[in-house]
Amino acid sequence: KAGVTQTPRYLIKTRGQQVTLSCSPISGHRSVSWYQQTPGQGLQFLFEYFSETQRNKGNFPGRFSGRQFSNSRSEMNVSTLELGDSALYLCASSLSSGRNTIYFGEGSWLTVV
Amino acid sequence: AQSVSQHNHHVILSEAASLELGCNYSYGGTVNLFWYVQYPGQHLQLLLKYFSGDPLVKGIKGFEAEFIKSKFSFNLRKPSVQWSDTAEYFCAVSSSNFGNEKLTFGTGTRLTIIP
Repeated sequence: KAGVTQTPRYLIKTRGQQVTLSCSPISGHRSVSWYQQTPGQGLQFLFEYFSETQRNKGNFPGRFSGRQFSNSRSEMNVSTLELGDSALYLCASSLSSGRNTIYFGEGSWLTVV
Repeated sequence: AQSVSQHNHHVILSEAASLELGCNYSYGGTVNLFWYVQYPGQHLQLLLKYFSGDPLVKGIKGFEAEFIKSKFSFNLRKPSVQWSDTAEYFCAVSSSNFGNEKLTFGTGTRLTIIP
């Protein structure tokens, strides 16, 4: 079956702009999470959505937001981009059963200039 | 709060050597444990996972890990590494409580295999 799909794969934005990243989870998965990966901070949890509701949230500023649609697809948005937002943004999905395997997409590479 | 420590930042081995990567976690409840691998230019892939039961778990590509509850450890092992094992390895933990899908990752161990 198809894996977690993220679009776009690569993008370059200017400081102050906003960006929207999209994620399609594995079919049947209702939980979608987002992570930021940088060389300095490693992999950090942004937030998790389940049934269109944000269920868990990491320690990121309010400029980072997300949503989930009724088909479980998710988007994350970063407003007022800063240079430090340059990172690989990973989406992950799972069945959310308590003992779950979390599967990752290939990520969206964001460069802020 | 959960935390994961991977003490080996960069490991260099020759082909056929044995591998052990350390992972220690801190969490007050019952956990799920994972090892993920990220090959150069590729996405995170699951190597193996532990939910409950036999503390010795086997994963893909000949990897295994042992959960030692008393030591809060989940070390990754492979008896004989290959050049294709060159990658970054991440240990991760999540709560086994329903509704908590957050993964906390270690900082990763970069493994370089010399042919």
